[in-house]
This record gives sequence, C-alpha cells and structure tokens, in this order.
Amino acid sequence: DGGITQSPKYLFRKEGQNVTLSCEQNLNHDAMYWYRQDPGQGLRLIYYSQIVNDFQKGDIAEGYSVSREKKESFPLTVTSAQKNPTAFYLCASSIDGRTRYLYGYTFGSGTRLTVV
Amino acid sequence: AQKVTQAQTEISVVEKEDVTLDCVYETRDTTYYLFWYKQPPSGELVFLIRRNSFDEQNEISGRYSWNFQKSTSSFNFTITASQVVDSAVYFCALSLTGNQFYFGTGTSLTVIP
Repeated sequence: DGGITQSPKYLFRKEGQNVTLSCEQNLNHDAMYWYRQDPGQGLRLIYYSQIVNDFQKGDIAEGYSVSREKKESFPLTVTSAQKNPTAFYLCASSIDGRTRYLYGYTFGSGTRLTVV
Repeated sequence: AQKVTQAQTEISVVEKEDVTLDCVYETRDTTYYLFWYKQPPSGELVFLIRRNSFDEQNEISGRYSWNFQKSTSSFNFTITASQVVDSAVYFCALSLTGNQFYFGTGTSLTVIP
C-alpha cells in the first residue's frame, strides 16, 4: 500500500546536537512538506518542496534544514540553532504543489523529538 | 490574522452521546476549500472530508455529518452516537486557490466508555 513512512517514531537528542528525521513516500507525489505540531498551536509549516532539488521555507524555517535529492525522500535536519526543538514532526505529501488546495495532504505518522 | 478557528480545545463526552466540533473560517476569496482531518493517538492525520465553497449541501457519512454554512463562515462536524474509537484530535483546515493552506489549532475529543 502507498503511503508515507517516517522514522524513527521517537527520537531523543542532547542539546547542541543536530538530528535528522526521515520521511519517505511511495505515492509518486511531487510535493512534500514538513510540519511541526505543538500543543494548542496546531500545525505550522517548516519547509516544503514541490520538485526534486528545490525547496522553500515555510513559516518557521529557522533552525531547520532539508534536502530533496530524490522524489521519494525529504529528510528534515533539526540543527542546534533551533531553540525549542521538542515537538511532534509530521511529514506530508500532495500530488503536486499546484493542486494542494484541491486535494489536501497525505500525512505520515510523525516523529516525536525530545531534547534531553 | 487567524484563518481557521476551532474554539473548543478539548471536549469529553460519554459513549453514545452526539458531539459537534465547531470550525469557523475567515477568507475574502470566493473560491476555497474546507477540510476535516482526524489525528488518532497513532499520530497520523487522516483525511475525512473536503468541501468546496460552492457546495453548501450538508454531507452524511455513517455516524459523521458536516454542516457547511457560508452565512456564518462555519463548517461544523457532528459525530452521532460517539464511540471510544472516535477519541482523537480533529483539525479543520482552509485552503485557497493561491495555494495557501491553514489549519485550525485542533479539538481534542475524548469519548468515555
């Protein structure tokens, strides 16, 4: 079955360390997204990519970086510059960036990152 | 400015009760889409429904129903005869043709057996 796989499910990081969250999709979707979820704040867009080797900052990109070397993969790196990284991170995809407003997203099951 | 408001942060109901989750949106566009997603404890957001701004018909799917009223800019979601499996966080979202997508802050529903 097609879908989005995020790994790991839970991740612990020491302060000052970078960490990379994995996101893989086999839906043949062109566009991929990273959202951050905090209690009471809903979902906030970190980065998105509409095509391989191209990506754009979302609303809260500071302290994060991404790459899109393959259509199927969109890893997110949480750097030491991110001041409050503890959160739930959701990866999503859409058929393409232009029709996101029509069809919405397919989401992964998320990664819960905790800084210790 | 906030585009989607879900004023109910948390709701608890006893199993078999009906419950309505409110969603109020704000936009000046004439063409837009509204969505509801369910986030169970497993974490993945699951698509429930999409409605475009030109279709104000209410929709029923099993125990789920949606009431879209443009006059009040609302897109409310009712679960009839709630079950424990309905316990989740529910998100309402608004999308615009300029490719903007706005989520509400979510309503956490707990169904008590």
